[in-house]
Amino acid sequence: DQQVKQNSPSLSVQEGRISILNCDYTNSMFDYFLWYKKYPAEGPTFLISISSIKDKNEDGRFTVFLNKSAKHLSLHIVPSQPGDSAVYFCAARQYGGATNKLIFGTGTLLAVQP
Amino acid sequence: NAGVTQTPKFRILKIGQSMTLQCAQDMNHNYMYWYRQDPGMGLKLIYYSVGAGITDKGEVPNGYNVSRSTTEDFPLRLELAAPSQTSVYFCASRTSGATDTQYFGPGTRLTVL
Repeated sequence: DQQVKQNSPSLSVQEGRISILNCDYTNSMFDYFLWYKKYPAEGPTFLISISSIKDKNEDGRFTVFLNKSAKHLSLHIVPSQPGDSAVYFCAARQYGGATNKLIFGTGTLLAVQP
Repeated sequence: NAGVTQTPKFRILKIGQSMTLQCAQDMNHNYMYWYRQDPGMGLKLIYYSVGAGITDKGEVPNGYNVSRSTTEDFPLRLELAAPSQTSVYFCASRTSGATDTQYFGPGTRLTVL
């Protein structure tokens, strides 16, 4: 049972355009969401996060939007750069006090074409 | 700071062999995690620890064991390797706090033949 879903395995965009990566979740108890970026042969690195009490969080070229009623979040990258080419994972926090766990989606491979 | 380090980077095991994947962090984080990532899949939690001497099972613990004798180290043990354990293994850590930003190591690619 996949609680966090990234339905697009891959996405290709032109340099300078907007990249939109989507993520859906099923558990309404998730209270915090994160995006991680992963280059080949490296570990995931934290990119941006959002609390469930907000609907938008911005950090430079990266903006995450959260629609709780639709159980949907998206990551916008504007403008996209070739260095953004990587796998992007969406993750949701399953609150458990000291034992919080992250549930990861399957990832979306973003290719930014020069 | 080196952050989270993992050794080895690559390993090939024969069925039935055992090995220990090493993980260390120098950020004084209480929380540490082991994940596996299979092709086309997300990261699945194997085991986690909330501090030295305290460990607990994650989503896919079968075939693995862990220990946490110090804050810095969190080794993952495979006792009887099986082809189903062919995967990339990531160790992560985080500090206590309101957010759950985990910091990941570079991974160990394990193949069981």
